Amino acid sequence: GAVVSQHPSRVICKSGTSVKIECRSLDFQATTMFWYRQFPKQSLMLMATSNEGSKATYEQGVEKDKFLINHASLTLSTLTVTSAHPEDSSFYICSARPGVGMSGELFFGEGSRLTVL
Amino acid sequence: AQSVTQPDIHITVSEGASLELRCNYSYGATPYLFWYVQSPGQGLQLLLKYFSGDTLVQGIKGFEAEFKRSQSSFNLRKPSVHWSDAAEYFCAVGAVGGADGLTFGKGTHLIIQP
Repeated sequence: GAVVSQHPSRVICKSGTSVKIECRSLDFQATTMFWYRQFPKQSLMLMATSNEGSKATYEQGVEKDKFLINHASLTLSTLTVTSAHPEDSSFYICSARPGVGMSGELFFGEGSRLTVL
Repeated sequence: AQSVTQPDIHITVSEGASLELRCNYSYGATPYLFWYVQSPGQGLQLLLKYFSGDTLVQGIKGFEAEFKRSQSSFNLRKPSVHWSDAAEYFCAVGAVGGADGLTFGKGTHLIIQP
């Protein structure tokens, strides 16, 4: 199946710093990638839809200036958590769908655990 | 708005016993339905999916699920669980042919007793 890779898998940072998480589709092109956030023992909440070559679409309640998303190519989307605070600590998961308007199946990255001290 | 309900937060099953995890959805259009499994600290792995056709779908690791439109359900089953099946299971719904992300249920934590 299609492979989606995230990096880093774990990151610890100080409060006030910015952290970048990368999401790559390794063997397919993805015009659309999705970023989810998962709190401990909770479900996945869609944060934003990342569109190649255009601005991301954010879900209600997600601060776009806080969570910067860039979809620079058909295989790479990045999520930057700016001026991170302890409440931003979470598990961030990206996903991508091969092609456009296809089967709907999403392939997920391994996730990135962010801990803000 | 779409929603997914997994009514069981935790389920405990003895190894070798059968399993059924419940999932009900609410969706205004024809849905795509998925079951994913997540081990602690890991990403999600697709178990199976339903798009159309046969309402009983087979997945990996011996799992199957049945789509029942009249009940808006997509329950996951396995005839005999193994200790390695202990994990978090998520049901999700998406739009047919759509470009949106999926809506997930809150998950069911499966515990396997020896």
